[in-house]
Amino acid sequence: KNEVEQSPQNLTAQEGEFITINCSYSVGISALHWLQQHPGGGIVSLFMLSSGKKKHGRLIATINIQEKHSSLHITASHPRDSAVYICAVRYGSGATNKLIFGTGTLLAVQP
Amino acid sequence: KAGVTQTPRYLIKTRGQQVTLSCSPISGHRSVSWYQQTPGQGLQFLFEYFSETQRNKGNFPGRFSGRQFSNSRSEMNVSTLELGDSALYLCASSWGTYTGELFFGEGSRLTVL
Repeated sequence: KNEVEQSPQNLTAQEGEFITINCSYSVGISALHWLQQHPGGGIVSLFMLSSGKKKHGRLIATINIQEKHSSLHITASHPRDSAVYICAVRYGSGATNKLIFGTGTLLAVQP
Repeated sequence: KAGVTQTPRYLIKTRGQQVTLSCSPISGHRSVSWYQQTPGQGLQFLFEYFSETQRNKGNFPGRFSGRQFSNSRSEMNVSTLELGDSALYLCASSWGTYTGELFFGEGSRLTVL
């Protein structure tokens, strides 16, 4: 079982829909990152969370530390939101500190 | 403000050769981390450097190594290349170690023939 699980793996939405991507993890973490990767490789950091909720434009990220769960919401989705969304958690301390990644959610927003 | 720069962007090597990839972080960032991305394994952490010291390392063989210079630029080296080393290698910089938002480069795509 992967330490970081994302769902769904694939998601197709119509423009304007509200989208939710989920991330569950099994380890104690110090931070959680949501990343966006467009075709061609470049990765952009969307959020870094250690508690609560953050909002940036149409994107909202929440985290529940007790339940080991985070969600990424996209309001009023647009075709340019089509990308792979990756959840990553940082855990461990000192020499064992590392970042581990979910397998990603491929989002396609159709006009 | 310039972003994270990785060179070269694309390269082709043959089995048994070695390769060196370079990463120039955002000015002022002292932490550089490296990642391997493959279709089968996804993104995996390689190692992280802060102030010229390796702070932590992922589960990769000793053929994978790196270093960081006093200007925070970092290099990673893969020796005795194997076909399975074909991947996109990404680096990211951040202000501090273990914490802080990550800023990724565009990656170096390595093909091993």
